[in-house]
Amino acid sequence: AQSVTQLDSHVSVSEGTPVLLRCNYSSSYSPSLFWYVQHPNKGLQLLLKYTSAATLVKGINGFEAEFKKSETSFHLTKPSAHMSDAAEYFCVVTGNTPLVFGKGTRLSVIA
Amino acid sequence: DVKVTQSSRYLVKRTGEKVFLECVQDMDHENMFWYRQDPGLGLRLIYFSYDVKMKEKGDIPEGYSVSREKKERFSLILESASTNQTSMYLCASSLQTGGLIGNQPQHFGDGTRLSIL
Repeated sequence: AQSVTQLDSHVSVSEGTPVLLRCNYSSSYSPSLFWYVQHPNKGLQLLLKYTSAATLVKGINGFEAEFKKSETSFHLTKPSAHMSDAAEYFCVVTGNTPLVFGKGTRLSVIA
Repeated sequence: DVKVTQSSRYLVKRTGEKVFLECVQDMDHENMFWYRQDPGLGLRLIYFSYDVKMKEKGDIPEGYSVSREKKERFSLILESASTNQTSMYLCASSLQTGGLIGNQPQHFGDGTRLSIL
């Protein structure tokens, strides 16, 4: 069985400061992990994916995530937040089953 | 770029009606999925399909059915709509590799916001 926990339902940062969105997973298999972003009234867009290659994964819009097997974590970071980053972010785990989504973290960016 | 198109952005229907939500993808993906998204509950999988005419139940199939007569099209059917089916519905598709359903990222449509009155 697989599961994913996003540790914060809401994160608020000031523009230009770092972003950290936390995700822990549980998987019986070697997992594939993804981060998606959803802007208001839109579908989900893939930010980045980990599929057992490099543990540090770079995505679009300056985001990156590090796979840490010992901590079963896949936290999403960005060095400097931009107003356009305000959105809902979903951590996702999969093995040989359909994707399992976290409940989401809403990121607010304050000017 | 993969495009997943959902036929309606907003839909209002009445209790007891039969409702059809349509989804079309243009990238020849084998897998297609239907989710509903509700505040605080995240995305929940209703049904998915890994081939034409094949379907599998997801986590919350009750009150729904699906149809996949062509590879590019996946329809969600609410047999008799009820108010607790008011939600945002998201369709997605993905490539199938190695015979696995879930090891490739999914591409999403913009969603259909369905209200049942």
